[in-house]
Amino acid sequence: DARVTQTPRDKVTEMGQEVTMRCQPILGHNTVFWYRQTMMQGLELLAYFRNRAPLDDSGMPKDRFSAEMPDATLATLKIQPSEPRDSAVYFCASGQSNYGYTFGSGTRLTVV
Amino acid sequence: GDSVTQMEGPVTLSEEAFLTINCTYTATGYPSLFWYVQYPGEGLQLLLKATKADDKGSNKGFEATYRKETTSFHLEKGSVQVSDSAVYFCALSDNAAGNKLTFGGGTRVLVKP
Repeated sequence: DARVTQTPRDKVTEMGQEVTMRCQPILGHNTVFWYRQTMMQGLELLAYFRNRAPLDDSGMPKDRFSAEMPDATLATLKIQPSEPRDSAVYFCASGQSNYGYTFGSGTRLTVV
Repeated sequence: GDSVTQMEGPVTLSEEAFLTINCTYTATGYPSLFWYVQYPGEGLQLLLKATKADDKGSNKGFEATYRKETTSFHLEKGSVQVSDSAVYFCALSDNAAGNKLTFGGGTRVLVKP
C-alpha cells in the first residue's frame, strides 16, 4: 500500500533550536495537510496545500512556523525558534479531496 | 465555518456489545464525510467515508450513513472486539471551503474482555 512518509519519527530538541519536519506525500495526491495533535487541543490544522500552493496557513503561529512544498514529493514544516509549548505530535496527510486522506505516522516533537 | 461535533468519551464497552458514536456537522457546501480511527501510538487511518446524502460507508464491521436531513454521520458496529479499542474521529471535507478537512474532537473507545 502507498503511504505517507514522515521524518523524523521522534525529535527531542532544546528550546530555541530550529526544527524541520519532512513529509513525502503519496505520488499523485494533490492536497497536503499539516496537523498538530496534543492532549489538550486535540487535532489542529496548521496549514494545507493544493498542487503545492498554500491554501490556508491560518492555524500556524506565523512568527515561528513556516510550511513549504519545494516540490511535489516533499512538504516541510519548520519551527524557529522552538518552544516547549510546541511539543506535540505533528501529522502530515495527503489525498485527493473526496477520496479521503492518508495520514503519516507522525513526528513526535519534544522541546525541553 | 464548518464544524464537527461528536460525543465525548471515553466510551467503555464489553466485548460483543453494540457501539454507537454520534457525529453531527455543519457545513457551507456539500461535504464528504469520514470516520478515522487512531490506535495508540499511530497515525489516523481512514475507516470509512460517504460522499453524498444517504450513502452508507462500511468497513471492518463499522457502518455510518450520511443523513443530510439531520446533518449526522453516526458510527455503529454491532459487536465490538477488544481490538476496536481506539480513538475515533469524525471529519468532513467541504468543497465550499477548499476541501479543508475538519475534525471532531475524537471519541476514545475502550472495549473490555
